Amino acid sequence: AQTVTQSQPEMSVQEAETVTLSCTYDTSENNYYLFWYKQPPSRQMILVIRQEAYKQQNATENRFSVNFQKAAKSFSLKISDSQLGDTAMYFCAFMTLNQAGTALIFGKGTTLSVSS
Amino acid sequence: DTAVSQTPKYLVTQMGNDKSIKCEQNLGHDTMYWYKQDSKKFLKIMFSYNNKELIINETVPNRFSPKSPDKAHLNLHINSLELGDSAVYFCASSQDKRTFSWGSGNTIYFGEGSWLTVV
Repeated sequence: AQTVTQSQPEMSVQEAETVTLSCTYDTSENNYYLFWYKQPPSRQMILVIRQEAYKQQNATENRFSVNFQKAAKSFSLKISDSQLGDTAMYFCAFMTLNQAGTALIFGKGTTLSVSS
Repeated sequence: DTAVSQTPKYLVTQMGNDKSIKCEQNLGHDTMYWYKQDSKKFLKIMFSYNNKELIINETVPNRFSPKSPDKAHLNLHINSLELGDSAVYFCASSQDKRTFSWGSGNTIYFGEGSWLTVV
């Protein structure tokens, strides 16, 4: 069974600093997607960044980038120049495709607090 | 233009009642899902439908019954509500697995959530 582990329940950072959120996963699949979703207090699920497992190049989206280590099954999120609006819960998620279709499996989340 | 919309956003009801949450997507997707986020904010899939066909049915009490009248809609009906059903329920949709291809940028899109409180 696939699992996703986020070992940091809470993290805090000051504005303009850089923070890295950790995520590891377990799977025997070779093809899959990895995601980071942001969930602010409104509970809306916002896609931050996506990585396809077959791509060696790490994905980047403006201030957000990932460090994808396929052999180590690690997928960390780096937030540069942190802003107050980055305060939220961040979920790492894994998606693969099998006969049953596709579904996201989530980690338990990391609560990030950005302070001024 | 909301891609995945669910109603109601907030629902407060008494134990024992029956309630429904509706979901609609305008993305042309064939696959839709229901996720439950509990009080500890853990997100777990409940059901998925592909073109009106039930595909994934996780260990969910049979008081929960999804219904998909067409591929753009997936409703969730809950009978005999219990206190433990209080949660945020998310509807989501994605591309059909039959047209899925690696590198296509397939993503699961979420609705804004329906906050259910059972008192």
